[in-house]
Amino acid sequence: DAMVIQNPRYQVTQFGKPVTLSCSQTLNHNVMYWYQQKSSQAPKLLFHYYDKDFNNEADTPDNFQSRRPNTSFCFLDIRSPGLGDAAMYLCATSRAGQGAQETQYFGPGTRLLVL
Amino acid sequence: GNSVTQMEGPVTLSEEAFLTINCTYTATGYPSLFWYVQYPGEGLQLLLKATKADDKGSNKGFEATYRKETTSFHLEKGSVQVSDSAVYFCALRDTNAGKSTFGDGTTLTVKP
Repeated sequence: DAMVIQNPRYQVTQFGKPVTLSCSQTLNHNVMYWYQQKSSQAPKLLFHYYDKDFNNEADTPDNFQSRRPNTSFCFLDIRSPGLGDAAMYLCATSRAGQGAQETQYFGPGTRLLVL
Repeated sequence: GNSVTQMEGPVTLSEEAFLTINCTYTATGYPSLFWYVQYPGEGLQLLLKATKADDKGSNKGFEATYRKETTSFHLEKGSVQVSDSAVYFCALRDTNAGKSTFGDGTTLTVKP
């Protein structure tokens, strides 16, 4: 049973053309995360939502935005993709309140290609 | 700040060989420790975890023991299979929940 779903699995966009990646979850978790991962490097956290509270990482470029209209859905908007934004984008969820024991559940990722 | 250091790869083994992937960490507080596996083109899957010192996480023949005295969480498997070929990430999550720290990943290739 799919728990964290990302669509599409592969996304091709043009340089400078806005693109939106989507994530949904059936776990009813209150925390959702977006990570960027390049070439099998460690995932890099871009931002996360704790319920509706948005938490941006200090080094996340302004080009990246996020929306969470409800518990189940979270979107990653890239306003003007550059070639350097080509990467795998991973969505993850967790259930807050367990402190360090929180386990993150990852989606399959969306691989973004910028032409 | 927190950090995770993993054994550099790539690691290439023959089927049925013994596997160890080293992981050490630096953290404040009392972190939980995790191993994730990523198969080609896929997202990360939780492989195992340990939440306190001396805990052993295990799954699918993989094991790792939380060693506070050596700040380590080495991943082991007694007999690897070709299907274990993947990238393995060690990670920690500290008491200031909201952020995980990942190692750089270790690529494992198992040959028949």
